[in-house]
Amino acid sequence: QQQVKQSPQSLIVQKGGISIINCAYENTAFDYFPWYQQFPGKGPALLIAIRPDVSEKKEGRFTISFNKSAKQFSLHIMDSQPGDSATYFCAASSPTSGTYKYIFGTGTRLKVLA
Amino acid sequence: NAGVMQNPRHLVRRRGQEARLRCSPMKGHSHVYWYRQLPEEGLKFMVYLQKENIIDESGMPKERFSAEFPKEGPSILRIQQVVRGDSAAYFCASSPPKIQGKTEAFFGQGTRLTVV
Repeated sequence: QQQVKQSPQSLIVQKGGISIINCAYENTAFDYFPWYQQFPGKGPALLIAIRPDVSEKKEGRFTISFNKSAKQFSLHIMDSQPGDSATYFCAASSPTSGTYKYIFGTGTRLKVLA
Repeated sequence: NAGVMQNPRHLVRRRGQEARLRCSPMKGHSHVYWYRQLPEEGLKFMVYLQKENIIDESGMPKERFSAEFPKEGPSILRIQQVVRGDSAAYFCASSPPKIQGKTEAFFGQGTRLTVV
């Protein structure tokens, strides 16, 4: 119930290509779905986030697509660049206690080839 | 405005020793979260604290682990009698009280604990 399943585990994309990372959840109480980007030796940094009242959110080259009925959401990175090479985590939280207690996916290691 | 500060960045402890990890939240943030990241895995929630209160410790191991966030000073995650399985990156995040769509939690750079 509390899991967030993320795939693929690793991804290699050519420069300029589209990177797609998928996540699925079970707990319908989740109401906030952020994506975090983590470079080696650094802490996770918020990339983009979505709430279930919208089906898509776009910020620059990054887009979240959200399918509430399927309980799935995905991150699309358009025109992928070598600087995007990092590990990406999806996460989810519920409104309980109004906290940032996140359930994280297991991560996707993205490598963008120059 | 400095970000979330964690120290030390790297910590090596022998089995059986104590490890103390510190987290200074961003200015104005009164909520602190600790997460653990095992190698090649995602972050796992450990504990959520507000000043002088533990709000949710559902992710904390039952033994050897404790956390505090005193009125003054940083939040401390303490691991007593460390074992090799405690080797991981420990991340702290801080936030102000959550307002729908208005705020986020910011993560520190982590403390990488190695138990030898």
